[in-house]
Amino acid sequence: GQNIDQPTEMTATEGAIVQINCTYQTSGFNGLFWYQQHAGEAPTFLSYNVLDGLEEKGRFSSFLSRSKGYSYLLLKELQMKDSASYLCSLRDSGYSTLTFGKGTMLLVSP
Amino acid sequence: DSGVTQTPKHLITATGQRVTLRCSPRSGDLSVYWYQQSLDQGLQFLIQYYNGEERAKGNILERFSAQQFPDLHSELNLSSLELGDSALYFCASSVDEVVTGNEQFFGPGTRLTVL
Repeated sequence: GQNIDQPTEMTATEGAIVQINCTYQTSGFNGLFWYQQHAGEAPTFLSYNVLDGLEEKGRFSSFLSRSKGYSYLLLKELQMKDSASYLCSLRDSGYSTLTFGKGTMLLVSP
Repeated sequence: DSGVTQTPKHLITATGQRVTLRCSPRSGDLSVYWYQQSLDQGLQFLIQYYNGEERAKGNILERFSAQQFPDLHSELNLSSLELGDSALYFCASSVDEVVTGNEQFFGPGTRLTVL
């Protein structure tokens, strides 16, 4: 099975940088994915990591360390619209199914 | 807009009833996934279909079943509904090829309320 832990809530200020951590225990996986979900809406894909290291996509970056069972999502130049839940997920090594953490609710204040 | 469509958007029904949720994947995507999201459990994988065949099963109850049709749309059938089945049900689709990131694209969801 897979176990994914994320902080429940975080707060940050507009224009700042925030790092959302994700730790996991798994017997094997084929990719770690980050999704953003606004309340009552569909999750939308942000980034994914297969190998160790940093992947950058505009204001969002994601990092993976397989040996430490650890990932983070870095959001720069925070905007009010970034207030949302951020879901860390692991893709199964056999199939393409995803197991999601319970998500981190980020609140961006002015 | 992800390109994945789901109907209906909202569904209100009574305990013991049966409902069918429908999903059309993005054009060209062969894989369809169903998820249930409730406040206390988060986003839980239910079942995956690939090109008409069941590929993987998650935490899906025996009262629930799904299928994928030749035109690749999928239906999730929920029967003998209980209050605890009230949740958001998402469908997602992907190309399902290893060479890409193979991210899943989610539909807008169906909010099911069981009274």
